[in-house]
Amino acid sequence: DIVMTQSPDSLAVSLGERATISCESSQSILYRSDNNNYLAWYQQKPGQPPKLLIYWASTRESGVPHRFSGSGSGTHFSLTISSLQAEDVAVYYCQQYFNTPPTFGQGTKVEI
Amino acid sequence: QVQLQESGPGLVKPSQTLSLTCTVSGGSIISGSYYWTWMRQPAGKRLEWIGRIYTSGGPHYNPALKRRVTISRDTPKNQFSLKLTSVTAADTAFYYCARAGGVTSWFDSWGRGTPVTVSS
Repeated sequence: DIVMTQSPDSLAVSLGERATISCESSQSILYRSDNNNYLAWYQQKPGQPPKLLIYWASTRESGVPHRFSGSGSGTHFSLTISSLQAEDVAVYYCQQYFNTPPTFGQGTKVEI
Repeated sequence: QVQLQESGPGLVKPSQTLSLTCTVSGGSIISGSYYWTWMRQPAGKRLEWIGRIYTSGGPHYNPALKRRVTISRDTPKNQFSLKLTSVTAADTAFYYCARAGGVTSWFDSWGRGTPVTVSS
């Protein structure tokens, strides 16, 4: 299985400041034949299921605010919240869908 | 917009079978090219993919759980189900059903999840 490792485990950011979460895969999740990175990001708030934010490493899901952006390729990826809002307090997960079984990172808790 | 909702017992005794159902509304489980999926999340741990069933095909399971898992579909009720046999405390978790748009895909719709505790 592909192991996904996020850093840091938790992150405290002031309102309006930038938050950056890293995600590393144990093998490349770039599929060369279509040049896509098979990586998604989710946001999970307490008592709620994960919510899809980004797929193909950098494509925002419909309705996701533009302050959320994804980048990276191969084995190193990041999720950036450009200006943290109070409603962004949550745990964020990366997930690879390059191989079956799909696997998730351990999560990064973002706090104010 | 499709909605998913898990249901089933919240408490299962060790060695018994865990049975959960996911009811889908707002779309048919036999239309489109979707993979209807079960996942779980033990407290404080990462999400684990259990398995999936395709719109018009057979199931596919996580090798780590394969010998204990069955995922099936009830088309008239627009539901799909999970059975996990011989449960232990390690199977205590929040269980989610979700939808994926392809065999290698992200999960775009999730149920709210249901807690299952394995305890005597």
